[in-house]
Amino acid sequence: SQQGEEDPQALSIQEGENATMNCSYKTSINNLQWYRQNSGRGLVHLILIRSNEREKHSGRLRVTLDTSKKSSSLLITASRAADTASYFCATDPPSAGNMLTFGGGTRLMVKP
Amino acid sequence: NAGVMQNPRHLVRRRGQEARLRCSPMKGHSHVYWYRQLPEEGLKFMVYLQKENIIDESGMPKERFSAEFPKEGPSILRIQQVVRGDSAAYFCASSEGTNEKLFFGSGTQLSVL
Repeated sequence: SQQGEEDPQALSIQEGENATMNCSYKTSINNLQWYRQNSGRGLVHLILIRSNEREKHSGRLRVTLDTSKKSSSLLITASRAADTASYFCATDPPSAGNMLTFGGGTRLMVKP
Repeated sequence: NAGVMQNPRHLVRRRGQEARLRCSPMKGHSHVYWYRQLPEEGLKFMVYLQKENIIDESGMPKERFSAEFPKEGPSILRIQQVVRGDSAAYFCASSEGTNEKLFFGSGTQLSVL
């Protein structure tokens, strides 16, 4: 079973709107990361939030982490057509060594 | 500073043949990970290696699959006697240390006919 599960599986919005994606996980973690994948390409790291952090910002991205609920959210503000991609959360449970476990992803489409 | 390099980009094999996928990590990175991705799905961990050592291969099938990361040269993921179910995108990632972000290659798309 997957450690991280994203919600929703697919999201379609208009340019300029905000996009919110959620991730839930099952066990304790060292940190949680968000990645982006354009169709047919490798993943690109967006942001890392450590287990002792609650919120982190990077440009138009805002990530929150609630370890009591074992959940995280990724907010993309003022979305652009170029934000169209799949977004994955990844966790590294202490028991899993150093390998990341990815969720199934949220497929975001931003319409111009 | 070149990123993670994977080759080939596309690989076509007939059932029963061998597939060899190569990955050169980013300069200075000694941790290499292989992941597999089916269409419309997330990445599934396969194996984690450091130079000359397999650290964790819990995600790799016991038969036909093997991986190495020699002292010199790229990491190799080898699939023997491929079957149609092996068709997928295989991604390699590297990191500088533990609990760090991963840098991914562009992947190898394996198609088994």
